[in-house]
Amino acid sequence: AQSVTQLDSQVPVFEEAPVELRCNYSSSVSVYLFWYVQYPNQGLQLLLKYLSGSTLVKGINGFEAEFNKSQTSFHLRKPSVHISDTAEYFCAVGSARQLTFGSGTQLTVLP
Amino acid sequence: DTEVTQTPKHLVMGMTNKKSLKCEQHMGHRAMYWYKQKAKKPPELMFVYSYEKLSINESVPSRFSPECPNSSLLNLHLHALQPEDSALYLCASSQGVFLDGNQPQHFGDGTRLSIL
Repeated sequence: AQSVTQLDSQVPVFEEAPVELRCNYSSSVSVYLFWYVQYPNQGLQLLLKYLSGSTLVKGINGFEAEFNKSQTSFHLRKPSVHISDTAEYFCAVGSARQLTFGSGTQLTVLP
Repeated sequence: DTEVTQTPKHLVMGMTNKKSLKCEQHMGHRAMYWYKQKAKKPPELMFVYSYEKLSINESVPSRFSPECPNSSLLNLHLHALQPEDSALYLCASSQGVFLDGNQPQHFGDGTRLSIL
């Protein structure tokens, strides 16, 4: 069984400030980790993925995430956010048979 | 622009109507998925097709009937829906032949369904 916990349901941050969206997972098998972003009235777009190798993963739109096996975390970071980053962000863990999503974090970037 | 195309974008139907949602991808992906997403919630898996065969049905009520006519198309036939079925219905595809954990899924923009 696997699960994903996104610790913050809402994260407000001012424009050009750094942001971290937290994600913790549990799984009894090897995990593959993903971050997706959902803009209003759109589907989910893949931001980045961790499959193996380097624990620091770079994605689109200036986002990056670090896989920490000992802390079972996969936090998403961006050094300077823009208004256009306002969206819902979902962390997900994949294993055979299913992709399990966290409950989501609403990132709101304030001017 | 998304590589997975869903039509229609919006659908309003009565509880006695029959309608269909359509999904198309031309990435050569062999696995396709239907998800249901309620407001402010993550997507919930409904069905998985692998090589045009139904591989997973997550105990979805029979008023939802999926169909995969070929490797590029996925339909969801709707009949006698209930108001609680109002949601965003997302289609996704992945390269993996089954729900491999390491295959990222590509999502369409969804069909927003409202049941009157």
